[in-house]
Amino acid sequence: RKEVEQDPGPFNVPEGATVAFNCTYSNSASQSFFWYRQDCRKEPKLLMSVYSSGNEDGRFTAQLNRASQYISLLIRDSKLSDSATYLCVVNLNNWLAEGSTLGRLYFGRGTQLTVWP
Amino acid sequence: DGGITQSPKYLFRKEGQNVTLSCEQNLNHDAMYWYRQDPGQGLRLIYYSQIVNDFQKGDIAEGYSVSREKKESFPLTVTSAQKNPTAFYLCASSSGLGYEQYFGPGTRLTVT
Repeated sequence: RKEVEQDPGPFNVPEGATVAFNCTYSNSASQSFFWYRQDCRKEPKLLMSVYSSGNEDGRFTAQLNRASQYISLLIRDSKLSDSATYLCVVNLNNWLAEGSTLGRLYFGRGTQLTVWP
Repeated sequence: DGGITQSPKYLFRKEGQNVTLSCEQNLNHDAMYWYRQDPGQGLRLIYYSQIVNDFQKGDIAEGYSVSREKKESFPLTVTSAQKNPTAFYLCASSSGLGYEQYFGPGTRLTVT
């Protein structure tokens, strides 16, 4: 099983629509969760971190479900400029005798979104 | 103006040649990373470094080498042993392993 799995899409939605992406992760002890956005032929950029209680940034809402090991990203009132690939990112902890430390990040393959006028 | 720079943006090489990609950051980050991205594919980790003078192999380290002599710099050498070197190479940095990463603009390497 891959560390992070996403539906690759593509998702094609009209302007103004609400769209949601889900992502599942394999390590129940993961502690860091992020959503990145990557435009065509550009570098990924941090969209938002995902906190246990869920968090919102304008039209974007991220949620974490630890019991089911998935995170979600909801985009409301889609804009043409939201067209991009959205990457789900999760860390894998390093287990030590005295506990665990934050381990490296794993990137999902991304979900492609196209918003049409 | 803080950030990560990579140079060059485009690089062309003949097969059999080693090539070094530059990555510099002025974010005072301890950790730095190199990823490779192929068309329509996700990011694959090549090497990463948590502190100066230390680095670890990622998932696809074969045919690549790195050094971390300065905190700000993490150059990647693509050697002739790398069988399919043509790709988009991305460098990133973070304050520590497991924290959010910030990426440079990438280098597109074409080997013919």
